[in-house]
Amino acid sequence: QVQLVESGGGVVQSGRSLRLSCAASGFTFSAYHMHWVRQGPGKGLEWLAIISYDGSDKNYADSVKGRFTISRDNSKNTLNLQMDGLRVEDTAVYYCAKDDGVTSGMDAWGHGTTVSV
Amino acid sequence: SYALTQPPSVSVSPGQTARITCSGDALADQYVNWYQQRPGQAPVMVIYKDTERPSGIPERFSGSSSGTTVTLTISGVLPEDETDYYCQSADNSGTDLVFGGGTKLTVL
Repeated sequence: QVQLVESGGGVVQSGRSLRLSCAASGFTFSAYHMHWVRQGPGKGLEWLAIISYDGSDKNYADSVKGRFTISRDNSKNTLNLQMDGLRVEDTAVYYCAKDDGVTSGMDAWGHGTTVSV
Repeated sequence: SYALTQPPSVSVSPGQTARITCSGDALADQYVNWYQQRPGQAPVMVIYKDTERPSGIPERFSGSSSGTTVTLTISGVLPEDETDYYCQSADNSGTDLVFGGGTKLTVL
């Protein structure tokens, strides 16, 4: 079955960087777009970024554009999120999610990794 | 920036029908997906493409669409359905994705 496992979260000072990773298994990773979504404490879901199946196209929410970079390594079935210039408001649980291939929806999610700034 | 509007809360008695709406200017042209999220857990897709139900999702979950408003309907609500629900779609360009603010369903 589809499995997504995030890692790399932790406590970091404002202005510093952090790199999150998501290990994918149970599906053909290289065939699907992938997303990052976050959820601040007591808040709703916020879509952050999408990367195309081959990594050629990326798009970001305005809140992270220019600070966060999404990337993928299809040879290692891994999705990444490089977060630079972190702010207090970036404190959240970060989820990676698999695109459903139909509506830019997310049909599988990891358990999330927590980032505290 | 583009936004989807959901009611913050909906209350229903067990066995009744719950309806959660999601409104947005682009919804006449963009599909909506719905997610259920239990406390401390990752979201789960319960409806995609406005009306389709992923495998494994109970039949009591259904979706409908009318103009710029879509509705998640839960028929014969069970106590276990009490949790948060989010709609998700894209803006008119189809490139910027967005979630609604979420609706807490309370089963009285």
